[in-house]
Amino acid sequence: DVKVTQSSRYLVKRTGEKVFLECVQDMDHENMFWYRQDPGLGLRLIYFSYDVKMKEKGDIPEGYSVSREKKERFSLILESASTNQTSMYLCASSFGYRGVAGELFFGEGSRLTVL
Amino acid sequence: GENVEQHPSTLSVQEGDSAVIKCTYSDSASNYFPWYKQELGKRPQLIIDIRSNVGEKKDQRIAVTLNKTAKHFSLHITETQPEDSAVYFCAASRPGGSQGNLIFGKGTKLSVKP
Repeated sequence: DVKVTQSSRYLVKRTGEKVFLECVQDMDHENMFWYRQDPGLGLRLIYFSYDVKMKEKGDIPEGYSVSREKKERFSLILESASTNQTSMYLCASSFGYRGVAGELFFGEGSRLTVL
Repeated sequence: GENVEQHPSTLSVQEGDSAVIKCTYSDSASNYFPWYKQELGKRPQLIIDIRSNVGEKKDQRIAVTLNKTAKHFSLHITETQPEDSAVYFCAASRPGGSQGNLIFGKGTKLSVKP
């Protein structure tokens, strides 16, 4: 079974704090993604990565950055958290070469509240 | 930019009835169309997918149809059961050099009443 593990299920942070969300997958997948899920807005892509040390912007990258130092780990960073970043964050991974879409395996999500 | 529209946003059916959710996509170069089910408090999981060289695909009580000319695809659930209650998301692959990632619709909350 593919396992995608997100380090924190629930976080509460203050405005201006730096926030790290960690994601680890155990299936040697090349592709990893960070989505944000808000009611009525579906899943919106923040950043994705097809390879180690590689990253590409998704649809809503503003206010976020990512790091992929190892193939199995993809981190989402909020440099200075703001209240409008209160949301559910979903990490996902998939097998396949860049340019080939395949099944996404999601983590359980990290619910972030910024006060 | 690329877009996926999903309708309806909410759907309520009686147990045993059929449910249909429809999606349209904007770019004819999209070639992969998955459907994800997300139960309350759980992660989204793939339930069925279709590629652009196929018009229809079935898996027991669920089926997906694709009309490339009209750029729309639909999820059909027959003989609905209470455990089908969930939020369903359609998605389309992003065309160009980034086909590994997906554009999602906004979701349909399906409620199946016993």
